[in-house]
Amino acid sequence: QITLKESGPTLVKPTQTLTLTCTFSGFSLSTSGVGVGWIRQPPGKALEWLALIYWDDDKRYSPSLKSRLTITKDTSKNQVVLTMTNMDPVDTATYYCAHVTTDFLDYWGQGTLVTVSS
Amino acid sequence: DIQMTQSPSSLSASVGDRVTITCRASQSISSYLNWYQQKPGKAPKLLIYAASSLQSGVPSRFSGSGSGTDFTLTISSLQPEDFATYYCQQSYSTITFGQGTRLEIK
Repeated sequence: QITLKESGPTLVKPTQTLTLTCTFSGFSLSTSGVGVGWIRQPPGKALEWLALIYWDDDKRYSPSLKSRLTITKDTSKNQVVLTMTNMDPVDTATYYCAHVTTDFLDYWGQGTLVTVSS
Repeated sequence: DIQMTQSPSSLSASVGDRVTITCRASQSISSYLNWYQQKPGKAPKLLIYAASSLQSGVPSRFSGSGSGTDFTLTISSLQPEDFATYYCQQSYSTITFGQGTRLEIK
């Protein structure tokens, strides 16, 4: 049974760096073809893909946010960490992590709401 | 970036109706197209992958078709639990989602 759960701060101040952790079970990020991605959704708006890391440490980023994002994995802890620098109120959103098989996101975490406000 | 455009943005329908949602890519994406369903306050759920393959456990009233730039998601007979927002997503070049289609009860 594959499960994922996001954790991190619920409130960050503008200009701060956000660090989110995705802790998963039921799969290994050392298995060929497997990845973990991050997606966000501002309140009432559409999904936006942020970043993705594969089992071989291949990393992909949203072109529009690439300069602000870093994704890393700790295979021994079954965790993937996303950092986003220079947070702004427009970054207020629910942040999801998801298991990636080949090219689709087949298992999702419950999401965590991050509010950016001073 | 590859842009994904869904139509309509919202749709009202009745239980038992046949519903089709369209997704158009700004360039050819072969069959690298997936569909998700999202209910309020919940994470998205994968329905269709690779344009037409039904994810395990998803009812057969859901189907997908298309290739290249034009894709459709069809629900053959709407059930009460199908009223939700639907998103397409391409994985041909990184990942991009469509803007969503909200399916409401008429």
